[in-house]
Amino acid sequence: GDSVTQMEGPVTLSEEAFLTINCTYTATGYPSLFWYVQYPGEGLQLLLKATKADDKGSNKGFEATYRKETTSFHLEKGSVQVSDSAVYFCALTLLSGSARQLTFGSGTQLTVLP
Amino acid sequence: DAGVIQSPRHEVTEMGQEVTLRCKPISGHDYLFWYRQTMMRGLELLIYFNNNVPIDDSGMPEDRFSAKMPNASFSTLKIQPSEPRDSAVYFCASKIDGGRGGYTFGSGTRLTVV
Repeated sequence: GDSVTQMEGPVTLSEEAFLTINCTYTATGYPSLFWYVQYPGEGLQLLLKATKADDKGSNKGFEATYRKETTSFHLEKGSVQVSDSAVYFCALTLLSGSARQLTFGSGTQLTVLP
Repeated sequence: DAGVIQSPRHEVTEMGQEVTLRCKPISGHDYLFWYRQTMMRGLELLIYFNNNVPIDDSGMPEDRFSAKMPNASFSTLKIQPSEPRDSAVYFCASKIDGGRGGYTFGSGTRLTVV
């Protein structure tokens, strides 16, 4: 079945450090890929997305590139801020066939220290 | 648009009581999803609807759980009778078919069964 594997957390960084959170996927078709962010006590918010190979999604300084050859969608940010502290979820969905649901990774807790 | 609206935000109930969670999707979205989030199991899809019709309820844990979508603007998730292991955050999400965008999540209902 379809699945998403994320880097184990928690991740603790100092402000202005470089961030990478690894995400790889397994899918039977051609998925769309997403990163969602969940701040404490809140719901999930879409951070960025990519719908086909070699697409780069970007938002708020975060970037991720859809790599079909390595089935990966790693999240990066060049300089993190304390306000980036949250849980980050990688997810996929297939838009063909009957499946429409999002399949999530386990989430990666990020803490940024001042 | 007000986004996906869930109510209540918090619910504390005694074991054995009936609990009803509510969701209003974004107008025009034809898919609605119910997810459950726990520390142990992460985000789990419980059920999803397309045009008010349940499509996949294989994630519903047992017969104590039921979900309905009587019209395009309202859905309920009911647990009867509730048990302490049902304690979790329940999220509702909606999306529009054909779009390659992400899903929009509500803020969730934090359920505590004592």
